[in-house]
Amino acid sequence: AQRVTQPEKLLSVFKGAPVELKCNYSYSGSPELFWYVQYSRQRLQLLLRHISRESIKGFTADLNKGETSFHLKKPFAQEEDSAMYYCALTGGATNKLIFGTGTLLAVQP
Amino acid sequence: EAGVAQSPRYKIIEKRQSVAFWCNPISGHATLYWYQQILGQGPKLLIQFQNNGVVDDSQLPKDRFSAERLKGVDSTLKIQPAKLEDSAVYLCASSFRTNFQETQYFGPGTRLLVL
Repeated sequence: AQRVTQPEKLLSVFKGAPVELKCNYSYSGSPELFWYVQYSRQRLQLLLRHISRESIKGFTADLNKGETSFHLKKPFAQEEDSAMYYCALTGGATNKLIFGTGTLLAVQP
Repeated sequence: EAGVAQSPRYKIIEKRQSVAFWCNPISGHATLYWYQQILGQGPKLLIQFQNNGVVDDSQLPKDRFSAERLKGVDSTLKIQPAKLEDSAVYLCASSFRTNFQETQYFGPGTRLLVL
């Protein structure tokens, strides 16, 4: 079955601390992996995708096919990073997104 | 460019009533999606349109939910009759494909409460 698992509902860190939001997936094939972010009172938006191999707002994510993981990392958290983060995948012909349950990142001053 | 527009933003109804949501995608986006997001969960796809045709409606509860995109632009999602478990945020998204990549852009959502 296609599934995205985010084991942490809440991750609380202090400003300047490293951040790692965990994401594991189950998919029979070669999916495309994404991280979406929703800041307070804003709409859901794409943060990054694994194909682009880019760093956005200091965040990076590496696809580990052996461990079927796509963890999101940032070396030094900022208060403005506080938001809800969703890991998602697409695959197959329709490109529909399958989302995890999300992790709320709270960066304390 | 203008983003995906949705209305209404909030709706409160009683069970067994009907309700309709409207979505206007980004201009030029051929693909339109409706997602349901129940509190504490990630968004779940209900239906996907390519222009005015349905691509995937496998998770749409067809006994009570219906959706249309008659002219291949804006879309409506209807629930009739509503149940308590339909309380959720309904998200509309649209996308286009360039250079083998597709990006979905989401609207602000409609928050539905069924009493």
